[in-house]
Amino acid sequence: DAGVIQSPRHEVTEMGQEVTLRCKPISGHNSLFWYRQTMMRGLELLIYFNNNVPIDDSGMPEDRFSAKMPNASFSTLKIQPSEPRDSAVYFCASSLFGTGGEQYFGPGTRLTVT
Amino acid sequence: AQTVTQSQPEMSVQEAETVTLSCTYDTSESDYYLFWYKQPPSRQMILVIRQEAYKQQNATENRFSVNFQKAAKSFSLKISDSQLGDAAMYFCAYRNTGNQFYFGTGTSLTVIP
Repeated sequence: DAGVIQSPRHEVTEMGQEVTLRCKPISGHNSLFWYRQTMMRGLELLIYFNNNVPIDDSGMPEDRFSAKMPNASFSTLKIQPSEPRDSAVYFCASSLFGTGGEQYFGPGTRLTVT
Repeated sequence: AQTVTQSQPEMSVQEAETVTLSCTYDTSESDYYLFWYKQPPSRQMILVIRQEAYKQQNATENRFSVNFQKAAKSFSLKISDSQLGDAAMYFCAYRNTGNQFYFGTGTSLTVIP
């Protein structure tokens, strides 16, 4: 298995631009998580999906952030408009709900907003 | 809500020695899962070890073992025969039966040659 795939690996954009991060979970996994990691705030859960349905989005910072999971093999996290404080590493992780399974993390997307 | 606490922001260990990283958690549930993840400078989050709360036996994976104290809600990680490649940030994580994960703030481990 290829593991969790994220793209792009690095993204540099200007303030005000729209940013879209993409994630492909491990085949067969039915739960997907988006995290943000910064030095100041550590690892923060933004949103998670079970069977493509958003279950908990209380971690989404504000309306500028949105996430979708149109099917079991793809999810996006969108920031519009982006701000410098959104600069962070964004991780996607997947797991198999209903078991004691751990989360498998993607390699992360390093986002820099100038 | 469940919380996970790692009280040691930084730790260091001499190569070949043993080090223990601490983790405590707060929960009212009886069935849950605990994990330790390693994050090296590459940023990739790697599972080190897992423990099911219903199992009394402590999990072991080669040089990595845990001390799971359910009543005390403690889940420490012991690394034996430390190697330079063990240098990383280590995160303790809790998962409830609802598939929600909670992570600690991490412990940065330095291995001294």
